[in-house]
Amino acid sequence: DQQVKQNSPSLSVQEGRISILNCDYTNSMFDYFLWYKKYPAEGPTFLISISSIKDKNEDGRFTVFLNKSAKHLSLHIVPSQPGDSAVYFCAASEYNQGGKLIFGQGTELSVKP
Amino acid sequence: EADIYQTPRYLVIGTGKKITLECSQTMGHDKMYWYQQDPGMELHLIHYSYGVNSTEKGDLSSESTVSRIRTEHFPLTLESARPSHTSQYLCASSVGLGYTFGSGTRLTVV
Repeated sequence: DQQVKQNSPSLSVQEGRISILNCDYTNSMFDYFLWYKKYPAEGPTFLISISSIKDKNEDGRFTVFLNKSAKHLSLHIVPSQPGDSAVYFCAASEYNQGGKLIFGQGTELSVKP
Repeated sequence: EADIYQTPRYLVIGTGKKITLECSQTMGHDKMYWYQQDPGMELHLIHYSYGVNSTEKGDLSSESTVSRIRTEHFPLTLESARPSHTSQYLCASSVGLGYTFGSGTRLTVV
């Protein structure tokens, strides 16, 4: 019973274009969502987050959109750069669960020069 | 500069051996976690701790055990390694929802 799903295992984008990574969730009690970036043989690093009371959060080239009615969030990277090539994990948390994060399977982004 | 350290980074070990994966953090975080991750799969929570002498099992059943005798130290032990334990093990600590992950230990059991 996977509560957080990233249905695209990989995505290839040309440098300078927009990358859109998608994430769906099933638990309506989730109230905080995060995106992490992971390079091979390294631990994930925090990228951007959004509270369930918002529908958009922006930080430089990265924007996260939340659609609560559809239980869907997306990460937009624009413009994409070759250094953005990594695996991106979506994660969700429910306040009453003490801060434990539930992760999706990840999407491997490849940005080609 | 990492504030959470995992050793070893890579470990290849024979079946039946006892191993301990080390995790230490210098941030004074009360909450610490162990996740297991295989390529192309989600990170699965296998253990967590909310403070000294507090440990709980996570959502994924694991044959490993953990201890939390000091705030900064959260080691994971496998009493008898098996090939099915081959995976990447990631340690994290947090304050609120601000997780900091270590670099992970890539374990291979042959």
